Amino acid sequence: QQQVKQSPQSLIVQKGGISIINCAYENTAFDYFPWYQQFPGKGPALLIAIRPDVSEKKEGRFTISFNKSAKQFSLHIMDSQPGDSATYFCAASSISSGSARQLTFGSGTQLTVLP
Amino acid sequence: EAGVAQSPRYKIIEKRQSVAFWCNPISGHATLYWYQQILGQGPKLLIQFQNNGVVDDSQLPKDRFSAERLKGVDSTLKIQPAKLEDSAVYLCASSLRRLAGGLNTQYFGPGTRLTVL
Repeated sequence: QQQVKQSPQSLIVQKGGISIINCAYENTAFDYFPWYQQFPGKGPALLIAIRPDVSEKKEGRFTISFNKSAKQFSLHIMDSQPGDSATYFCAASSISSGSARQLTFGSGTQLTVLP
Repeated sequence: EAGVAQSPRYKIIEKRQSVAFWCNPISGHATLYWYQQILGQGPKLLIQFQNNGVVDDSQLPKDRFSAERLKGVDSTLKIQPAKLEDSAVYLCASSLRRLAGGLNTQYFGPGTRLTVL
């Protein structure tokens, strides 16, 4: 089944805190897991991505943790800042028919970081 | 480098009317995608082009939606006739094409917000 489940739907964090967003998938054909950040009135923008052969990837304050056996992955935002307030989407990528690579998105998490 | 351009940014129409959206991808990007993003949901792929050919349109409601990408650059997405449930943001994205199945970042435009009354 081509579905990615994301939680929580919304998240409020104090400045300096840790934001954690979780995603789960069923389709074992997924082989690439990006996270996108979307600000109001803008399109989603790639934030960080991971392949299932590693368990963790860190870029600055953003870390993806990946659990292949549980088919779960999560985004951790350390030292959360008000500028991080946005909607975050997890996604999973697989190759569809015709060798086309496609993304399946989660439902999104609206993050609010309080000053 | 210029990003993905879309127009119009906003459109309000009445049900049963027709509407068209335009997308200009990043120069050199061979792959173009149209997504539908309903409020509170993630983007859902409608159609994917490789140059001017359709790679996947399995989730495109073909009875009312159509899309084309002439000359492998700009693309238009049309809805005719529109229904209330078509109210959404329509996002265009593009990516480079490398080896088949290769990982290419999708770059999204700002979207067109459609309201059907």
